[in-house]
Amino acid sequence: EPEVTQTPSHQVTQMGQEVILRCVPISNHLYFYWYRQILGQKVEFLVSFYNNEISEKSEIFDDQFSVERPDGSNFTLKIRSTKLEDSAMYFCASRALAGWETQYFGPGTRLLVL
Amino acid sequence: QKEVEQNSGPLSVPEGAIASLNCTYSDRVSQSFFWYRQYSGKSPELIMSIYSNGDKEDGRFTAQLNKASQYVSLLIRDSQPSDSATYLCAVGPAAGGSYIPTFGRGTSLIVHP
Repeated sequence: EPEVTQTPSHQVTQMGQEVILRCVPISNHLYFYWYRQILGQKVEFLVSFYNNEISEKSEIFDDQFSVERPDGSNFTLKIRSTKLEDSAMYFCASRALAGWETQYFGPGTRLLVL
Repeated sequence: QKEVEQNSGPLSVPEGAIASLNCTYSDRVSQSFFWYRQYSGKSPELIMSIYSNGDKEDGRFTAQLNKASQYVSLLIRDSQPSDSATYLCAVGPAAGGSYIPTFGRGTSLIVHP
């Protein structure tokens, strides 16, 4: 069964460093998402991506964040200068255009900023 | 600000019992409602979706929706220890477009043998 994959599974970085989180969505899916979940808190939407551009973004997704689909398979989230409060689990999700409501989540990347 | 409220729990039930999980939402125009299961340290896994008032059953799971009361619930029959997880309620707009659901904080369920 196809699945969303994410790398790395864990990332530890120093405050102020740049990190890139990588995702490979399900191959025939058209919408891609990044969410984050701070430990013990709710899943929060960051950004959605469709047709090679951002379709929506939340207040959390400020100038420190960017997304890219550098090739036909990868979808990346970059945090330019990490802050302590960026420590969280980051989930990538994708969905097909048909079956619109079903978002498939990747296993997540646990980011720890020291 | 769209809000989705859930009792954080934990809700503790004995094996074989019915677990009842509740969720309320603030955005009256919401059209799509979901229950996700999340094991500790893992990603959310969709277990039920419901769009119309009433009940929807899938195996041991029943989702109930009351749009007038802005209330959605999940019943788990014959609860098993493997059902122990956090259950996230998510509420979304009508079909189409980017489709961004709003998640609740989740209810922790513990099923004890």
